[in-house]
Amino acid sequence: AQRVTQPEKLLSVFKGAPVELKCNYSYSGSPELFWYVQYSRQRLQLLLRHISRESIKGFTADLNKGETSFHLKKPFAQEEDSAMYYCALEGSGSRLTFGEGTQLTVNP
Amino acid sequence: DTAVSQTPKYLVTQMGNDKSIKCEQNLGHDTMYWYKQDSKKFLKIMFSYNNKELIINETVPNRFSPKSPDKAHLNLHINSLELGDSAVYFCASRQQGAWGYTFGSGTRLTVV
Repeated sequence: AQRVTQPEKLLSVFKGAPVELKCNYSYSGSPELFWYVQYSRQRLQLLLRHISRESIKGFTADLNKGETSFHLKKPFAQEEDSAMYYCALEGSGSRLTFGEGTQLTVNP
Repeated sequence: DTAVSQTPKYLVTQMGNDKSIKCEQNLGHDTMYWYKQDSKKFLKIMFSYNNKELIINETVPNRFSPKSPDKAHLNLHINSLELGDSAVYFCASRQQGAWGYTFGSGTRLTVV
């Protein structure tokens, strides 16, 4: 079974502050992990994929297999980062399993 | 050009009605999905089709029936709508063996 947990449903920070959105996963094989973002009433967009190890919009995420985590980080949050963030795992059968989501609010 | 398009964007209907949501992708992808986003924003997979063949069928009431006339289309038909069916339904597609799903903009279904 594959499972993704995002322990924080809501996260609020001030502009310019660092932000970390937590994600833990459970999967017996070698997972593909992603972060998706959904701005207010819009479609989900792919933000990051763990294999590419890139930085998008200042966000980075590192896969820690020992801790089974894939936390999303940004050193200086911006107001336009306010959105719903989903961690997702692709395991067997091309099945993308999402976490419960974290609503990030960046206050001015 | 919209890569994955869903119609309608909004749908308000009464309990007991039958309705369909359409999804089309022009990316040439061979796998398509339906996801349900509930009132708590939780996203859960419902169905997946690969080249018109059903490959994922989660525990979804059989009032929900997907139909894929060709690999560019995956429609969702819902019979005898219930209040609990109110949600946002997202269609998505991807190319088998490649990474990255492309999502549609969602259909907000409200059952009254």
